[in-house]
Amino acid sequence: EPEVTQTPSHQVTQMGQEVILRCVPISNHLYFYWYRQILGQKVEFLVSFYNNEISEKSEIFDDQFSVERPDGSNFTLKIRSTKLEDSAMYFCASSGLRRTGGLGTEAFFGQGTRLTVV
Amino acid sequence: GEDVEQSLFLSVREGDSSVINCTYTDSSSTYLYWYKQEPGAGLQLLTYIFSNMDMKQDQRLTVLLNKKDKHLSLRIADTQTGDSAIYFCAETLYTGGFKTIFGAGTRLFVKA
Repeated sequence: EPEVTQTPSHQVTQMGQEVILRCVPISNHLYFYWYRQILGQKVEFLVSFYNNEISEKSEIFDDQFSVERPDGSNFTLKIRSTKLEDSAMYFCASSGLRRTGGLGTEAFFGQGTRLTVV
Repeated sequence: GEDVEQSLFLSVREGDSSVINCTYTDSSSTYLYWYKQEPGAGLQLLTYIFSNMDMKQDQRLTVLLNKKDKHLSLRIADTQTGDSAIYFCAETLYTGGFKTIFGAGTRLFVKA
């Protein structure tokens, strides 16, 4: 069964450092997303990406965040200068196009990368 | 605004049915989902329903959607101790791009 894969599963970084979280979406999907879940809290939408550009972003997704699809298979989230409050589980997701109706398919989530900023 | 609400806790006895409820505010949702999350783990998609359906059954799981009241429920029949987890209700909206909005999660405790 196709799945979204994320690497690494756990990353520890020092405050102020840059981190790149990597995701391989399902191969024929066209929409890509990042979400985060701070420990004990709800899953929050960060950004959606389609046709090589951001289609929607939340107020959490400020200038320190960026996304990229560098090579047609990977989808990355970069955090430029990490802060302690960036510690969270980051989930990547992807969805495709339905054959009819013009709407996307359901979103498939990866297992997440736990980012710990120390 | 976009909001998904669900009760925070539910406790049931093993073998009973569990019903987890959720309400959402945005009527432009395309898909509605139930995800399961065990401690320290990722999101496991349990089931989903397309917004033009009103019921979906998948083995022990039954999803009911009342679009008029914007109410979604998940019924787990014959609840087992392994069902203890947090259950997230979520909806996917299309607002120029797709995004999924999650509820805060319902923690299900199953007593043996």
